[in-house]
Amino acid sequence: NAGVTQTPKFRILKIGQSMTLQCTQDMNHNYMYWYRQDPGMGLKLIYYSVGAGITDKGEVPNGYNVSRSTTEDFPLRLELAAPSQTSVYFCASSYSTPGSGNTIYFGEGSWLTVV
Amino acid sequence: DQQVKQNSPSLSVQEGRISILNCDYTNSMFDYFLWYKKYPAEGPTFLISISSIKDKNEDGRFTVFLNKSAKHLSLHIVPSQPGDSAVYFCAACTGNEKLTFGTGTRLTIIP
Repeated sequence: NAGVTQTPKFRILKIGQSMTLQCTQDMNHNYMYWYRQDPGMGLKLIYYSVGAGITDKGEVPNGYNVSRSTTEDFPLRLELAAPSQTSVYFCASSYSTPGSGNTIYFGEGSWLTVV
Repeated sequence: DQQVKQNSPSLSVQEGRISILNCDYTNSMFDYFLWYKKYPAEGPTFLISISSIKDKNEDGRFTVFLNKSAKHLSLHIVPSQPGDSAVYFCAACTGNEKLTFGTGTRLTIIP
C-alpha cells in the first residue's frame, strides 16, 4: 500500500528560488492537506482541499500556492523561497472530515532548507 | 494563539509503568479529539480518538480521557513499552475540516 507519497524527501533551495512539493494518494480520499512542522512546534495547516477543483487556506498560507486538478494529486508550490519556509512539510489525506471519525493519513515528510 | 497546548515537551517513563500525556485546549467549540504518534523521519500516525459526547475511549494499552469542564484530555499508555518512545501530538477539531495540533510531547521509555 503506497498511501500518501511525497516527493522530494530532501531539498535545499536558495532564497528567491521556486519549487513544487509533489503529493499523491492512492486511497481515493476526497480531503487532502498540507502541513508544516517547525522545530518544537506542532503541525500548522497551510492549505487544504475537500475535493478536486476546491482549495482553501489554512493557518499559514502566505508564500504558498496549491492546486487540486485530480483527486489523487495535491502539489504545493513555493514561490520566492524565504528562510522562514525552512521546515518539514507533510502532505495528508482523509476520506472525509476528521471530526466524523475519518483518519487522516500522513506522508513521510519533505525536509526543505532555504539558504 | 495556541488553542491546543501540550505543556510538557518531554516525558521519561520506566518500561512497564504507566505513561500519562496531557493536553489542554481553549476552544470550547472543539468536539473531536485525537492523538497522533510520530517516529523520527516519519509522518504522524493516528493512535486513538474521542468524541466530546464521551469521557473515555480505550483501545488496547491506550486510553484517552476527556474532561470537558476542565478542557483537558489525557492519554494513558499501560504498560509502557520501548516501542512507545515517540513524539505524541494531541489534536482537536470542530465539525469542519481543520485539525488544530498541539506542540507535541516526546515520550522516552527507559528499559
